[in-house]
Formats: sequence, C-alpha cells, structure tokens
Amino acid sequence: EADIYQTPRYLVIGTGKKITLECSQTMGHDKMYWYQQDPGMELHLIHYSYGVNSTEKGDLSSESTVSRIRTEHFPLTLESARPSHTSQYLCASSGVGSGETQYFGPGTRLLVL
Amino acid sequence: AQSVSQHNHHVILSEAASLELGCNYSYGGTVNLFWYVQYPGQHLQLLLKYFSGDPLVKGIKGFEAEFIKSKFSFNLRKPSVQWSDTAEYFCAVIRSYNTDKLIFGTGTRLQVFP
Repeated sequence: EADIYQTPRYLVIGTGKKITLECSQTMGHDKMYWYQQDPGMELHLIHYSYGVNSTEKGDLSSESTVSRIRTEHFPLTLESARPSHTSQYLCASSGVGSGETQYFGPGTRLLVL
Repeated sequence: AQSVSQHNHHVILSEAASLELGCNYSYGGTVNLFWYVQYPGQHLQLLLKYFSGDPLVKGIKGFEAEFIKSKFSFNLRKPSVQWSDTAEYFCAVIRSYNTDKLIFGTGTRLQVFP
C-alpha cells in the first residue's frame, strides 16, 4: 500500500491569501510530482522534483511554487490565491522499487472565493 | 498534437455487463502504459500497467488491458462489471525517453447500476 499524504484535504480561502498545500511520502521515493485536475478533465503536471533541492516546472504553467528540502516532503505554495486557482491538486511520487509507477495522494480540493 | 485519447467520456452500464474502455496514444517509440482508477471520494489508484512482455495485462479487481502496438491502443476490459466499479478511469502513458512525464487522458466516468 502506497503511503503518500496530503493536507488539507479541502480548503476554502479568500482571494489574496497565501496558502501551502502539504505533501509527504514515507516510501523513500526520490521523485515527486504535483498535478492539477479540474472537474472532468485530465491531470496536468505542474511541478516535479528529482530529489532534494531539485524542482522543475511541468507542462502546465502554474503560479504556484514548490520546494524540496527533505526527500519525503514536497509542499506547494500559492503566494496570493485567486479564484482561477480553484482546482484539485494531486501529489504523487515514484522511485526505486516502484519503477516508473507513480503513486498518488488523496488530493487537496481548493476553492478560492 | 501528441496526446492520450479516451474516447468514451461517460459510460453507463448495468451490473454484469461487459466493459471495454478505449485508450489510444499518439507517441512513437517505446511507451509504458497505465490505467488508474479514482473511486468517488478516494485517491487515484493504479489498476494495472504494461512495461514489456505479454501484451495482455491483468490488474486488480478482475480488470485486464491489452496493448496493441500497431493500433497504439491500450484498452481496458472487464467481462462483468459490478456496482462497486463505479468510478473514473484514467489511461496514462510514459514515453521511454522521458520517464518523468506521465501523460494522462481526459478520463472516462463509469456508472454501473444494479
């Protein structure tokens, strides 16, 4: 069973607030990912990391930023939330032992008013 | 544009009916293929995957998928669906030269009625 955690699961927040979505995994995976998923749409990669101090932007442009200070932790930050950021954010990881298979967290549903 | 296509956006079936969900990709070269499932209120879970070998792959919960290289397809099948199979199903592809990028299809919403 993959152990990847995301908090909060749901977040309703006002425009202009700074928010951080947490993602942690206990599998020792070196690669971690953030995806954005709008209702009824496919997942789009917005950030990924090969390991500590490594971060890259994904295919979908995002105003969010990420950091990877510890292997197990890959938080995503929005400095000033806007209604256009309303979406579901999914974190995933892969690495030694999983091959190229990515395991997903439960997601954070974000609503910006 | 290169992509992963799931042509069935919404499928409605009765219990015990057979299921086939289409997935086509447009990338050349070697690919790894996945089907993920997202049950209502739950996170995305791996259903099955194909890396190499036997093109007929068996996954969890009685699902299977067949990789047909000549058709660029990786269709998902189940001979007899159950109400508990109601979920959203995503096909995804990793290209061998860019193993960090998992490219998803738009998903197929399956509703199974008792």
